[in-house]
Amino acid sequence: QQQVKQSPQSLIVQKGGISIINCAYENTAFDYFPWYQQFPGKGPALLIAIRPDVSEKKEGRFTISFNKSAKQFSLHIMDSQPGDSATYFCAASRRDTGRRALTFGSGTRLQVQP
Amino acid sequence: SAVISQKPSRDICQRGTSLTIQCQVDSQVTMMFWYRQQPGQSLTLIATANQGSEATYESGFVIDKFPISRPNLTFSTLTVSNMSPEDSSIYLCSVDSAVANYGYTFGSGTRLTVV
Repeated sequence: QQQVKQSPQSLIVQKGGISIINCAYENTAFDYFPWYQQFPGKGPALLIAIRPDVSEKKEGRFTISFNKSAKQFSLHIMDSQPGDSATYFCAASRRDTGRRALTFGSGTRLQVQP
Repeated sequence: SAVISQKPSRDICQRGTSLTIQCQVDSQVTMMFWYRQQPGQSLTLIATANQGSEATYESGFVIDKFPISRPNLTFSTLTVSNMSPEDSSIYLCSVDSAVANYGYTFGSGTRLTVV
């Protein structure tokens, strides 16, 4: 499967701080880039997603920044809260042009300390 | 977005046996996807299941080990056959609502332990 590389593997942030998770992809045919949040014992839940024709998308405290030329995208969690402690996965797919299955990054375990 | 019901939520199975996991969606969807998530790891695609055609398997996954059925646009099953402890994982089904503002939805997963 085509790779999506995610970093860091784990992240500890103080309450109120900014959490930043980064991903890089190889396949320029990807046209859909979502971020998922997963709590233990649960399936992944969509947080926010972006298309490559947009450089930034914000929904509440969550922002995706997208750099098409660098083939990188990142998730920023503003005002991080203990309830944000979870594992976060970036992903990519060719949603409009064929292979619609998601390719996932390796995941980032976020811990927000009170 | 679509709502997925996945059963069973967990099971403990003897090696050499088989388990069938069911995935029911509350709306008609063209594509359904089955993923495996090994403990502490990311999600790996097993296969894509389209209604009316054979499932498409990813490298490293074969139909004899993971047979999939897709009898209609709202239902699919994944069977894990001749299980070994290495098959202990979470198995998840997913659908693409294909609606622009909705993403891919996941079931809550089946936590399988093989002893």
